[in-house]
Amino acid sequence: QVQLVQSGSELKKPGASVKVSCKASGYTLTNHAMNWVRQAPGQGLEWMGWINTHTGHPTYAQGFTGRFVFSLDTSVNTAYLQISSLKADDSAIYYCARDGTGDWNTGNWFDPWGQGTLVTVSS
Amino acid sequence: EIVLTQSPGTLSLSPGDRAALSCRASQSVGSSQLAWYQQKPGQPPRLLIYGASIRATGIPDRFSGSGSGTDFTLTISRLEPEDFAVYHCHQYSHSPRSFGQGTKLEIK
Repeated sequence: QVQLVQSGSELKKPGASVKVSCKASGYTLTNHAMNWVRQAPGQGLEWMGWINTHTGHPTYAQGFTGRFVFSLDTSVNTAYLQISSLKADDSAIYYCARDGTGDWNTGNWFDPWGQGTLVTVSS
Repeated sequence: EIVLTQSPGTLSLSPGDRAALSCRASQSVGSSQLAWYQQKPGQPPRLLIYGASIRATGIPDRFSGSGSGTDFTLTISRLEPEDFAVYHCHQYSHSPRSFGQGTKLEIK
């Protein structure tokens, strides 16, 4: 079945970097766009942007430019989120979420979602 | 940017009750490109409804979605114990994609 499996929880110090992986199984990564969504503790969902898995071109939402990088390794069917210069308010659960269809020409719902990766930034 | 406002913030009901959750958009959501997700503690969101009214695979028919334009509703016809969770709406017609702040459905 289609599944996204993310890497485990991370504890980082302020100023460090973190790289979260999202391994796709049950389908070919390049057939569907991949989104990244943040959920701060006790808060709602915030769309960070998406990556065109066919071209590798990322699009970042406002507030997620500069320190955030989406990337791919298609040889292992995996998407990545890297965050640099971590701050305390980056502490959150980060989800990858696949576009529901492979239609690149229209908006898509998100399905499935990875299980989430908790990133904690603390000195 | 389309802002989605969900109401109520918290809904207290009993098993067997009918639940109606609202999602209002700050501008029209084109082609009914609105989805609903259920999220339980410690779990990722799960797709319930897309296209405003289409149930995702495996979702029980007690869940239904309706609405268009700026006003959307998720209805759960008869609450089961496992339905108590947080529900999020999501518009995917405009970029940036956006979510509502969530409605918590709790047991009364």
